[in-house]
Amino acid sequence: AQSVTQLDSQVPVFEEAPVELRCNYSSSVSVYLFWYVQYPNQGLQLLLKYLSGSTLVKGINGFEAEFNKSQTSFHLRKPSVHISDTAEYFCAVKRRDYGGATNKLIFGTGTLLAVQP
Amino acid sequence: GAVVSQHPSRVICKSGTSVKIECRSLDFQATTMFWYRQFPKQSLMLMATSNEGSKATYEQGVEKDKFLINHASLTLSTLTVTSAHPEDSSFYICSARDGTSLTDTQYFGPGTRLTVL
Repeated sequence: AQSVTQLDSQVPVFEEAPVELRCNYSSSVSVYLFWYVQYPNQGLQLLLKYLSGSTLVKGINGFEAEFNKSQTSFHLRKPSVHISDTAEYFCAVKRRDYGGATNKLIFGTGTLLAVQP
Repeated sequence: GAVVSQHPSRVICKSGTSVKIECRSLDFQATTMFWYRQFPKQSLMLMATSNEGSKATYEQGVEKDKFLINHASLTLSTLTVTSAHPEDSSFYICSARDGTSLTDTQYFGPGTRLTVL
């Protein structure tokens, strides 16, 4: 079975400062990795995903994440945050195999990024 | 990116009534759709997976007779909460998998806020 750990439930940061949101996963098989963002009272929007290839993945809104297989991590980073980045961020994994059509997305518990002026 | 819509965005109903929520993939065919439930300040919990033309697969602990799922076409899945009670009040989010995509990405709807009085 797969699991996702987001150790930080909330990360306060000042505007224009860099930020890192941590995500660690456990799985006995290879996985796809995702980061989603959820603004208040809205659904989830895909920020970025790692499927294969380069371990540094760039996403929307200036975010990037790096897949580290040895540390089983997929931390999300942004060099300079804005007030508008305030939202809940979810890390997720899905098994990478032929049965991917119905394999479940397993979500972490989320990290609230609170950007302060 | 692909667009998934949900209707209604918000619904308030009396205890004992049934509520239907629609999930549509607007610009792609979704062979698989997923229904999630999210409680305040918590992560998404998968309720069920539905494949077009077949019965939904429910997660452990989810009552299939209470949460009726129909996936009659490649662009529409419905979730009906039957005989709703206040404890069913929650944020319900659907997602859809693009059947033609090799990247195995799920696209999420904006969510439906259900309040049962």
